[in-house]
Amino acid sequence: QQPVQSPQAVILREGEDAVINCSSSKALYSVHWYRQKHGEAPVFLMILLKGGEQKGHEKISASFNEKKQQSSLYLTASQLSYSGTYFCGTGTFGNEKLTFGTGTRLTIIP
Amino acid sequence: NAGVTQTPKFQVLKTGQSMTLQCAQDMNHNSMYWYRQDPGMGLRLIYYSASEGTTDKGEVPNGYNVSRLNKREFSLRLESAAPSQTSVYFCASSWTGVETQYFGPGTRLLVL
Repeated sequence: QQPVQSPQAVILREGEDAVINCSSSKALYSVHWYRQKHGEAPVFLMILLKGGEQKGHEKISASFNEKKQQSSLYLTASQLSYSGTYFCGTGTFGNEKLTFGTGTRLTIIP
Repeated sequence: NAGVTQTPKFQVLKTGQSMTLQCAQDMNHNSMYWYRQDPGMGLRLIYYSASEGTTDKGEVPNGYNVSRLNKREFSLRLESAAPSQTSVYFCASSWTGVETQYFGPGTRLLVL
């Protein structure tokens, strides 16, 4: 079963913040975040492993709440280059595959 | 270092025709994957190979077959193409299932 992402789409002005959520009905071991620009392949952003840690850098970070089986991606002071569709991919323990959400389309306008 | 490469980039088939999509990686990764991407559906796993010599079904395997030819190459075959298989196909690879997946540029397939 695919993880559920919210919102499905969001439009922001440059400089505003965004939060994208990913929820699963399964006990998660890992959450992967990818960004895909139109007509291109998905590009890796970060992985979070079981342990609830928050990872990332100054402008893009993520958290993983294993009890709630949720992850959130935080984009701070968004730039035009952040536009694209963001996907979370979830993994369960001992499983060699990821299950991807249906994506969140982020549009940044000047 | 090319990463993950896929051929062809575009293909048009008639219903019932067969074809093989090729994928190769030069990162010495153990795991390889085939996904299809349809509007509003995200990435759905067709087949994967956790290591050379092994393959397993993903979410949507019907109508497809795969071959892990060696550690570098993982091909996807459509034996009798159907319009429902019109999609963008991505190949990906990773060290293991929990590691970062690196995606190829994709193959855009249209079945008429």
